[in-house]
Amino acid sequence: NAGVTQTPKFQVLKTGQSMTLQCAQDMNHEYMSWYRQDPGMGLRLIHYSVGAGITDQGEVPNGYNVSRSTTEDFPLRLLSAAPSQTSVYFCASSYSTSGSDEQFFGPGTRLTVL
Amino acid sequence: GNSVTQMEGPVTLSEEAFLTINCTYTATGYPSLFWYVQYPGEGLQLLLKATKADDKGSNKGFEATYRKETTSFHLEKGSVQVSDSAVYFCALRLRTNAGKSTFGDGTTLTVKP
Repeated sequence: NAGVTQTPKFQVLKTGQSMTLQCAQDMNHEYMSWYRQDPGMGLRLIHYSVGAGITDQGEVPNGYNVSRSTTEDFPLRLLSAAPSQTSVYFCASSYSTSGSDEQFFGPGTRLTVL
Repeated sequence: GNSVTQMEGPVTLSEEAFLTINCTYTATGYPSLFWYVQYPGEGLQLLLKATKADDKGSNKGFEATYRKETTSFHLEKGSVQVSDSAVYFCALRLRTNAGKSTFGDGTTLTVKP
């Protein structure tokens, strides 16, 4: 199993550009989520999905869109990049929404918006 | 709402020293508790977890006990190694909250030889 994969690993954008961060998992996990990690702020939930076709907003959803057309893939779209979106982005998945299930994290995408 | 408060870092220890990283939580329900570790340039990975009161999670010499009465889940290790240098995150998760997790801010540990 490859686990959770993310592409690209690094990205530099100009203000106003759009892009999609890719996330895929091969563990047949029901639950997937996107976080951003900023210095001293832990991980903040952007969007999450409890199954194919079902998505919902997390703590900091503004400026981001998601969709979940398959169990495996959960891309994150930046609509019009802003410098405030400079961050490290992590995708994570878990078997279910059960509180006792651990989350599996991808290696992250480091995004810089100029 | 739900929140996790971790001991502020950074923490610097000498090899073989005893480690404690404090974690307390507030939750609207009965959460499961987790410690994740993040090595430089990598994603988070599970270190240990506990799903009910008085459970002790353990892995790689690290331990944490779920204390409902004090709403705490402190991480301990008896003798740290240089290879334990990383960022440690305490987290809670609730099924009643659509499985969403809440993370602490992370504690950076540096172990010097």
